[in-house]
Amino acid sequence: DQQVKQNSPSLSVQEGRISILNCDYTNSMFDYFLWYKKYPAEGPTFLISISSIKDKNEDGRFTVFLNKSAKHLSLHIVPSQPGDSAVYFCAASGGTNAGKSTFGDGTTLTVKP
Amino acid sequence: DAGVTQSPTHLIKTRGQHVTLRCSPISGHKSVSWYQQVLGQGPQFIFQYYEKEERGRGNFPDRFSARQFPNYSSELNVNALLLGDSALYLCASSPWGERVNQPQHFGDGTRLSIL
Repeated sequence: DQQVKQNSPSLSVQEGRISILNCDYTNSMFDYFLWYKKYPAEGPTFLISISSIKDKNEDGRFTVFLNKSAKHLSLHIVPSQPGDSAVYFCAASGGTNAGKSTFGDGTTLTVKP
Repeated sequence: DAGVTQSPTHLIKTRGQHVTLRCSPISGHKSVSWYQQVLGQGPQFIFQYYEKEERGRGNFPDRFSARQFPNYSSELNVNALLLGDSALYLCASSPWGERVNQPQHFGDGTRLSIL
């Protein structure tokens, strides 16, 4: 039973346009959500996070939205750049311990010049 | 500053053997977590150690064990290797273990191949 799901294995967008990556979760105990970016042959790199007490968090070109009632979060990248091409993982944790994060299977984003 | 370092980078073993993977966290980080990433899937939580104590264990068999040393480095041990243990093993560190929401910092992983 996968508790964190990223239903789109891949996404392709044009440079300069918006990229929207989606993530759904089933465990109501999750209260901290993170997005990581992963390039080939490297470990995941933290991108942005959001606590369940918020519904939006922004950091430069990256914004994460959380809809707790729908158990859904999304990552918006505006504008998308070719260097954003990577695998994006959604992760969730509960009980203020992100050291036990549950990850989705990732979405491969390709930004075309 | 050095990030999370893992050794070795790649490893090839045969079924039935055992393996030890090593991880050095970022200086000052006291929490270390281990994850297994099978091709095409996301990382799956194996263990968390904080202040040298096990603070969490994922759904993995007893063939998997780990420990954390006084300098906060960590080892992951896997006994009686199976073909299904072939994966990328990731180590992640963070300053605190619990009561604080914080992201983890990942190493580049150890690629383990079982023949």
